[in-house]
Amino acid sequence: AQSVTQLDSHVSVSEGTPVLLRCNYSSSYSPSLFWYVQHPNKGLQLLLKYTSAATLVKGINGFEAEFKKSETSFHLTKPSAHMSDAAEYFCVVSALNTDKLIFGTGTRLQVFP
Amino acid sequence: DTGVSQNPRHKITKRGQNVTFRCDPISEHNRLYWYRQTLGQGPEFLTYFQNEAQLEKSRLLSDRFSAERPKGSFSTLEIQRTEQGDSAMYLCASSSGQGARNSPLHFGNGTRLTVT
Repeated sequence: AQSVTQLDSHVSVSEGTPVLLRCNYSSSYSPSLFWYVQHPNKGLQLLLKYTSAATLVKGINGFEAEFKKSETSFHLTKPSAHMSDAAEYFCVVSALNTDKLIFGTGTRLQVFP
Repeated sequence: DTGVSQNPRHKITKRGQNVTFRCDPISEHNRLYWYRQTLGQGPEFLTYFQNEAQLEKSRLLSDRFSAERPKGSFSTLEIQRTEQGDSAMYLCASSSGQGARNSPLHFGNGTRLTVT
């Protein structure tokens, strides 16, 4: 079965410093992986996706993620955090032979001035 | 693009009552999904439709839950004989015909259900 594990439930950074949100996946096949973001009182929004093309994926708002098969990881990074990045971030894997997405438990990112 | 609309935003009900939620997807999207999110957890898949056909249902969707999309446009999710464990945020999403793997899901703001 496919699953994702988000290694940190909370991450706090100062504005202007790098962001690293960690995600490991488990899959018996080559997975499609995603990061979704949920801002307070707003719907979930797709940040970026990996679907077996380039292993370094660029998303919106300066975020990027690198697919590392040897480490079964798909960590989300951003060089410089902005206050508006404060939100809940979900690592997601698509299930095989179905249109279902499997979400991790989320990482809450706090950004301090 | 007016986005995915869900109504009501909040619903408080007593245990044992029936509730119904509505989702209006983005108009050109033929796929519609329901997810449930409890506190501290990620969204969990409940069911999805392609046009009016319900193609998959999660084991989470007990007999008390039913979803419909009668004309392939809006959808309703009904919970009968609500239980306190049904308290959660119910999320609706829609996407184009290529499915969740290839097309982004556009989520609504959700309906928060509280069962007292």
